[in-house]
Amino acid sequence: KAGVTQTPRYLIKTRGQQVTLSCSPISGHRSVSWYQQTPGQGLQFLFEYFSETQRNKGNFPGRFSGRQFSNSRSEMNVSTLELGDSALYLCASSHGAGREQYFGPGTRLTVT
Amino acid sequence: GEDVEQSLFLSVREGDSSVINCTYTDSSSTYLYWYKQEPGAGLQLLTYIFSNMDMKQDQRLTVLLNKKDKHLSLRIADTQTGDSAIYFCAESRNFGNEKLTFGTGTRLTIIP
Repeated sequence: KAGVTQTPRYLIKTRGQQVTLSCSPISGHRSVSWYQQTPGQGLQFLFEYFSETQRNKGNFPGRFSGRQFSNSRSEMNVSTLELGDSALYLCASSHGAGREQYFGPGTRLTVT
Repeated sequence: GEDVEQSLFLSVREGDSSVINCTYTDSSSTYLYWYKQEPGAGLQLLTYIFSNMDMKQDQRLTVLLNKKDKHLSLRIADTQTGDSAIYFCAESRNFGNEKLTFGTGTRLTIIP
């Protein structure tokens, strides 16, 4: 079974721009969660989608948004990029019943 | 509140056992996880334990949970150079809540 895939793997953007990251979960998984990983703040939860509905949200500004499609693929969008948004963005997929969550390789975003 | 703490560094001789410790504060934690992250990679799920269990063994890995003290440990037997990585413990609160709260990570270094 294929694992969680994320595209693109690397991105360089300029302050003020916006970016869209994509995550394809493991086949059969209906939950997709997003995390931001930075050296200073560690791993922080952004949001979780289950069956196209946002079920849980972390403490991030409204510039961070997401959505999930009927095939469970998910996208997250960051608008008006700031230097502090430079991070590794990880998505995780699961069946949605609070058990195993499997992570993708991440998208490394650099904001200049 | 939610808080998960780990030591930042651990050095172990090749062939010895490694023990990585974690403490958490949320008594409603349902599942507790151990993830491994190698340089430039995403998070690899190593193992997880349900909060009503005391121990779980999976090949070289042994997880011990002391729910009274809110203490979780991961023992890696016969540590190899390929075990060099950052190890994160994480907790989730209840069924249907996929949000993981992560510790700071413990960097395991293997001494030849």
